[in-house]
Amino acid sequence: GAVVSQHPSWVICKSGTSVKIECRSLDFQATTMFWYRQFPKQSLMLMATSNEGSKATYEQGVEKDKFLINHASLTLSTLTVTSAHPEDSSFYICSAIFGGQGWGYTFGSGTRLTVV
Amino acid sequence: QKEVEQNSGPLSVPEGAIASLNCTYSDRGSQSFFWYRQYSGKSPELIMSIYSNGDKEDGRFTAQLNKASQYVSLLIRDSQPSDSATYLCAVNMRGAQKLVFGQGTRLTINP
Repeated sequence: GAVVSQHPSWVICKSGTSVKIECRSLDFQATTMFWYRQFPKQSLMLMATSNEGSKATYEQGVEKDKFLINHASLTLSTLTVTSAHPEDSSFYICSAIFGGQGWGYTFGSGTRLTVV
Repeated sequence: QKEVEQNSGPLSVPEGAIASLNCTYSDRGSQSFFWYRQYSGKSPELIMSIYSNGDKEDGRFTAQLNKASQYVSLLIRDSQPSDSATYLCAVNMRGAQKLVFGQGTRLTINP
C-alpha cells in the first residue's frame, strides 16, 4: 500500500522549454505532497510542500515562478519546470504522507531531467 | 549546526558483519525518525521508522533512538552485498510536516 507513481522517469528537453512532472498517489489520498531535488552525490533537498487545494509553500531559495507546483486533487500533484536551463538538470522526486497505522512518507520513483 | 547530521562515509563492512550507521539531530522536540535506503539512480525506500526511545527490530535491521542524546542509529546484521547503498536518516521536526534529511552515509559491503 501507499504507492506513489511518478512520471516521466526521465526526460530530456531543450533550454528554454518547460517540463511537467506528475506524481499520483495510487491507493491513498495524499493531502500533502513534497517535491525534492537531488544533485549527484548529494542528499535530497526539499523544494516545496504542497497541500491539496492551496498554494505550495516553497523553501528558501527556490524560485516559485520557475518551479510551478499544482496540487489540484487528493491524488495528483504536478511540478512544472519553466524555461528550463542546464543548471536545472537534476533528479526530481515527489513524496507524500500516508496515514493510518504505521503512517509515514512514501516516495515516487523519481524523474531524471536533463536540459540540453 | 546542521539539523540532521550523518557521517558521509564511505563505510566499508565485510559481508556477514554488523554495519552501524549513526545520525544526530538538532531539534530536541523532533517526533518521528526514519531510515531510508537509496541505490544509485533510484529514489529512497523506507527501511525503518521509529518514534519512541529504545530499539525497534525488523528482520536484520534494528533502529535505536535516544531522544535525550538526540541520536538515532541503524544496525544491519549479517550484512549482504545487496545492502551496499546510501542510507539516509530523516527526521520529522516538531510542528512541521516536512522531513529533513541528513547528507547520507554511503555503505559498501565487501564480499
